[in-house]
Amino acid sequence: DAKTTQPPSMDCAEGRAANLPCNHSTISGNEYVYWYRQIHSQGPQYIIHGLKNNETNEMASLIITEDRKSSTLILPHATLRDTAVYYCIVGVNRDDKIIFGKGTRLHILP
Amino acid sequence: EAQVTQNPRYLITVTGKKLTVTCSQNMNHEYMSWYRQDPGLGLRQIYYSMNVEVTDKGDVPEGYKVSRKEKRNFPLILESPSPNQTSLYFCASSSPGGWEQYFGPGTRLTVT
Repeated sequence: DAKTTQPPSMDCAEGRAANLPCNHSTISGNEYVYWYRQIHSQGPQYIIHGLKNNETNEMASLIITEDRKSSTLILPHATLRDTAVYYCIVGVNRDDKIIFGKGTRLHILP
Repeated sequence: EAQVTQNPRYLITVTGKKLTVTCSQNMNHEYMSWYRQDPGLGLRQIYYSMNVEVTDKGDVPEGYKVSRKEKRNFPLILESPSPNQTSLYFCASSSPGGWEQYFGPGTRLTVT
């Protein structure tokens, strides 16, 4: 079973920030949080990862709570092209058996 | 261009007819993996390979075989396909310590 819990779907208005939550209450001290997204039936695309500090790259920001039991992926200015299923995953490293779970289906509304 | 390629992209076959789905990456990655995706079940890992001649089972390996004779290639073999193997298949690769898995475009397999 997936080690994370995500809402099945969310809506966000185009141009607004999309905030996608993820619960990982059983995360271990050496496990990372990483995010992927899948647009329609394309292959999943890596977005970002983090251990305990907040992270930012050109695609998104990752906010991890101090107790590391939850995190939020932020897409700062959502566009229609961000419509996708977003997966939150925890693991020690990418060599783990990655369990994708069911993710959050994000709808960007024009 | 860095990429993972899969062939074929679409395949319709009959029960019991052996088939191979090829996967190739041009990034010199050690790690490669196969997933299947089914409605309501998400992505599930079939097999993975940490390097040449090193393979291991994922969560749903039954009915599949893999080989890793060269670093760039990781074919998925269905010796005797059955209808329950109808699915969307993805190959992925990543470098040692790399967090980013690169996924192929997918192969949609139908077994009748």
